Amino acid sequence: AQSVTQPDIHITVSEGASLELRCNYSYGATPYLFWYVQSPGQGLQLLLKYFSGDTLVQGIKGFEAEFKRSQSSFNLRKPSVHWSDAAEYFCAVAVMDSSYKLIFGSGTRLLVRP
Amino acid sequence: DAMVIQNPRYQVTQFGKPVTLSCSQTLNHNVMYWYQQKSSQAPKLLFHYYDKDFNNEADTPDNFQSRRPNTSFCFLDIRSPGLGDAAMYLCATSSTGTRYFGPGTRLLVL
Repeated sequence: AQSVTQPDIHITVSEGASLELRCNYSYGATPYLFWYVQSPGQGLQLLLKYFSGDTLVQGIKGFEAEFKRSQSSFNLRKPSVHWSDAAEYFCAVAVMDSSYKLIFGSGTRLLVRP
Repeated sequence: DAMVIQNPRYQVTQFGKPVTLSCSQTLNHNVMYWYQQKSSQAPKLLFHYYDKDFNNEADTPDNFQSRRPNTSFCFLDIRSPGLGDAAMYLCATSSTGTRYFGPGTRLLVL
């Protein structure tokens, strides 16, 4: 069965420090992978996506993610975190059949220390 | 800008009083979704429309219904809201697999 695991429930980093949020997936075919960010009381904003091609994907707000098929991972990174990056981050995999399901991880809450 | 719009952003209703949440899109996407999101949880898919074809998730309560009168609009009807239905309701659209989400409607049930 398809699944997405985000092993870190909370992560705290200092402003200006680098960030890596982990995501592992289980999916039989080539995955369509996404990272979304959600600020409190808001909807989900797409940060970046991977469908095929270059395994290092650039997104908005200075984020990038690397698809590693051998590790079934799609980790999100940012070289220097800003206080405004504090939010909930969701990794997701799209099931490309008629169900149109988007399987979400449980989310990682990022806290940023001044 | 093309976008997904949800109204209202906040909705207060009484226990058992029907409520309708609305979603509109200017993206002209053929698929529209409704998700329920409770605090500190990932969104949970309630149903989706592929054009006019309605697809209900197996565990979506009968209390939840949806209408899609045209490509641009989709409605979520909660016939008899219970306290457990208090949540954020997210509308999303897609055409090529990427979901684009609206800002959500926060539902409070008194």
